[in-house]
Amino acid sequence: GDSVTQMEGPVTLSEEAFLTINCTYTATGYPSLFWYVQYPGEGLQLLLKATKADDKGSNKGFEATYRKETTSFHLEKGSVQVSDSAVYFCALSANQGGKLIFGQGTELSVKP
Amino acid sequence: NAGVTQTPKFQVLKTGQSMTLQCAQDMNHNSMYWYRQDPGMGLRLIYYSASEGTTDKGEVPNGYNVSRLNKREFSLRLESAAPSQTSVYFCASSGVQYNQPQHFGDGTRLSIL
Repeated sequence: GDSVTQMEGPVTLSEEAFLTINCTYTATGYPSLFWYVQYPGEGLQLLLKATKADDKGSNKGFEATYRKETTSFHLEKGSVQVSDSAVYFCALSANQGGKLIFGQGTELSVKP
Repeated sequence: NAGVTQTPKFQVLKTGQSMTLQCAQDMNHNSMYWYRQDPGMGLRLIYYSASEGTTDKGEVPNGYNVSRLNKREFSLRLESAAPSQTSVYFCASSGVQYNQPQHFGDGTRLSIL
């Protein structure tokens, strides 16, 4: 079946460091890929998405490129801030009806 | 913009009690979902509803029932709560196409003693 695997956390970085959170997927067909962010005590918010191979999603300085050849959708940011501390979820949607399959989440902590 | 509204935000139950979690969306979305979030497990789909009048099981449906009351509202019921159902529950909604993002509520934190 379809699945998403994320790098394990927690990830701790200093402010202004470079961030990469790895995400790989297994899916039949041509899924859409998403990154969601969850701040403490809140629900998930869409961070960015890509719907076909080689698409790059971007938002708030975060980027991820849909790589079909490596079945990956790694999240990157050039310079993290304390306010980026959150849990990040990679997800895919491969079927009609909009059902999502989530990775287990990666907790990011950014220190001043 | 209200988006997806869940009630209650917190609840403590005793084993064997029943309760209903409420969810409403104001985005005219056809699809609605219930997830549970447990540490280290990501989000797991309990039930979903692709349209008014239809519901389907997700990955972890045992111990739960759902009702799609109308296009706006999708409730989750625990008939006889068990400690294993202690979790954070999220409701979400989306358009029907597979590339449409889901919009989430703020969650219900449920503890069962």
